[in-house]
Amino acid sequence: GESVGLHLPTLSVQEGDNSIINCAYSNSASDYFIWYKQESGKGPQFIIDIRSNMDKRQGQRVTVLLNKTVKHLSLQIAATQPGDSAVYFCAEKLRNNAGNMLTFGGGTRLMVKP
Amino acid sequence: DAGVIQSPRHEVTEMGQEVTLRCKPISGHNSLFWYRQTMMRGLELLIYFNNNVPIDDSGMPEDRFSAKMPNASFSTLKIQPSEPRDSAVYFCASSSGRQALYEQYFGPGTRLTVT
Repeated sequence: GESVGLHLPTLSVQEGDNSIINCAYSNSASDYFIWYKQESGKGPQFIIDIRSNMDKRQGQRVTVLLNKTVKHLSLQIAATQPGDSAVYFCAEKLRNNAGNMLTFGGGTRLMVKP
Repeated sequence: DAGVIQSPRHEVTEMGQEVTLRCKPISGHNSLFWYRQTMMRGLELLIYFNNNVPIDDSGMPEDRFSAKMPNASFSTLKIQPSEPRDSAVYFCASSSGRQALYEQYFGPGTRLTVT
């Protein structure tokens, strides 16, 4: 029979276009947010982070936007390249949790068409 | 810096056998995390340690799973006895544990197949 698995939202973009990956987080007490990229067969890798006292942070080709009013986080990738194809996870950290535990979202698959 | 090191990278075992997964965190990191990733459930936190002490093991599925961190540079995750439903990729991650340094660094994972 057909196996049932976690359905990952998928974003398909043309090479060179900009990508926007969205994430809704759950807890208004979260004070830190992070985006990870996971390529096939590898562990998640850090992309960019943002603290709750900021609305926007930019890195190289990536920008993270935080809207605390609606508990929404987005990752923007400029000029998307084939190497950006991966699953992207957002994660949040609750204020004052011991040991810096992160809670991960379900992930979004980004597919870049050449 | 070698990053987080996990071994073995792949493990195939028969149901009922004991499985031990190993992790060496990044030197100087005080927090260590064990995750499990499957298609069904995504990325799940199993347990995490701070300064070698288990802080939260609420994600450990059942008593068949146990984790230890005898020192700051080594941790194990043991499954005894293993079952086919334990098949997954198991990741270890470490973090500085210090104030305002929250990023977790992941190892390459151990792909476990239980037949």
